[in-house]
Amino acid sequence: QITLKESGPTLVKPTQTLTLTCTFSGFSLSISGVGVGWIRQSPGKALEWLALIYWDDDKRYSPSLRSRLTVTKDTSKNQVVLTMTNMDPVDTATYYCAHTTKPWLAFDIWGQGTMVTVSS
Amino acid sequence: DIQMTQSPSSLSASVGDRVTISCRASQTISSYLIWYQQKPGKAPKLLIYAASNLQSGVPSRFSGSGSGTDFTLTISSLQPEDFAIYYCQQSYSIPFTFGGGTKVETK
Repeated sequence: QITLKESGPTLVKPTQTLTLTCTFSGFSLSISGVGVGWIRQSPGKALEWLALIYWDDDKRYSPSLRSRLTVTKDTSKNQVVLTMTNMDPVDTATYYCAHTTKPWLAFDIWGQGTMVTVSS
Repeated sequence: DIQMTQSPSSLSASVGDRVTISCRASQTISSYLIWYQQKPGKAPKLLIYAASNLQSGVPSRFSGSGSGTDFTLTISSLQPEDFAIYYCQQSYSIPFTFGGGTKVETK
């Protein structure tokens, strides 16, 4: 059974860096074709894809946020970490991590999400 | 970026109704179209991938069709647990993009 869970601060101040950790079980991020993505959802808004890291450490980012995002993985700990710099109140959202596989790259299993508020 | 446009943005329906939701891509995405269902306070749930493939465990009243730029999600007979928001997403090219969502409400 695949599970994922996001963890990190619930409140960050403007200009600070957000670090979120996705801890997963039930799969290995060293298996060919597997990836973990990050998606966020501002209150009452639609979903926004942020980043994706593959089993081979290939990384993809949303071009609009590329300069602020970094995604890394620790296969031994079964964790994926997303950092987002220079946080702004518009980044207030629920952040999800999710499992995916090639070739269709559907996010088939999601974490419960973690709500992050950006406010001074 | 590929823009994903869903219609309608909301609809009212009754239990037992047939419901159809449309999703249009701004350029061809082959069959790289995914449908999710989201209920309040919950993470999205995968319903359909590759435009028409039903995810394991999803009831057969859900179906997807289309290719290229025009896609449809159909619920053949709406059940009480189907009142939710539905999103389409393309995984054809980076950045992955989602539609704005269709809220299915009770009539």
